[in-house]
Amino acid sequence: EPEVTQTPSHQVTQMGQEVILRCVPISNHLYFYWYRQILGQKVEFLVSFYNNEISEKSEIFDDQFSVERPDGSNFTLKIRSTKLEDSAMYFCASRRQGVNTGELFFGEGSRLTVL
Amino acid sequence: AQRVTQPEKLLSVFKGAPVELKCNYSYSGSPELFWYVQYSRQRLQLLLRHISRESIKGFTADLNKGETSFHLKKPFAQEEDSAMYYCALSGGGSNYQLIWGAGTKLIIKP
Repeated sequence: EPEVTQTPSHQVTQMGQEVILRCVPISNHLYFYWYRQILGQKVEFLVSFYNNEISEKSEIFDDQFSVERPDGSNFTLKIRSTKLEDSAMYFCASRRQGVNTGELFFGEGSRLTVL
Repeated sequence: AQRVTQPEKLLSVFKGAPVELKCNYSYSGSPELFWYVQYSRQRLQLLLRHISRESIKGFTADLNKGETSFHLKKPFAQEEDSAMYYCALSGGGSNYQLIWGAGTKLIIKP
């Protein structure tokens, strides 16, 4: 069964460093998402991406964040200058197009620790 | 404001007992409601959604628009049901951005 894959599973970085989190969505899916979950808190929406552009983003997704689909398979989240409060689990998800396809398929997450 | 509330952070019941995980929501339109589950060391996965009106792994959930609730129920809990359960809401449309509850950790005692 196809799955969403994310790398790395865990990344430790120094404050101010750039981080790129990578995701490979399910191949026939057209909508892509990033969510994050700070330890002990709710899962929060960051951004959705469709047809090679951002379709929606939250207040969290400020100028320090960017997403890209550099080729036909990868979907990346970049944080330009990490802050301590960026420490969280970041989940990538994808969804296929169509009616009643509200199901999101999630990756296992990338844990980011900013020191 | 759009919000999903799961009032219980932790719910512990004995095997064979009924389970009810509560979810209330606040949304101005007609939302779609979902239950996602995360078993230990596994990824988030959809358990069920209200438009399907189906039972998955013995779980059911009915959307009560009057009470703005979408409680998850199972008549007889099993040990393998132990997991983190998240209620989520979507306004629909093309984006299916999900608004999440804080989650309830369900522990089934033997």
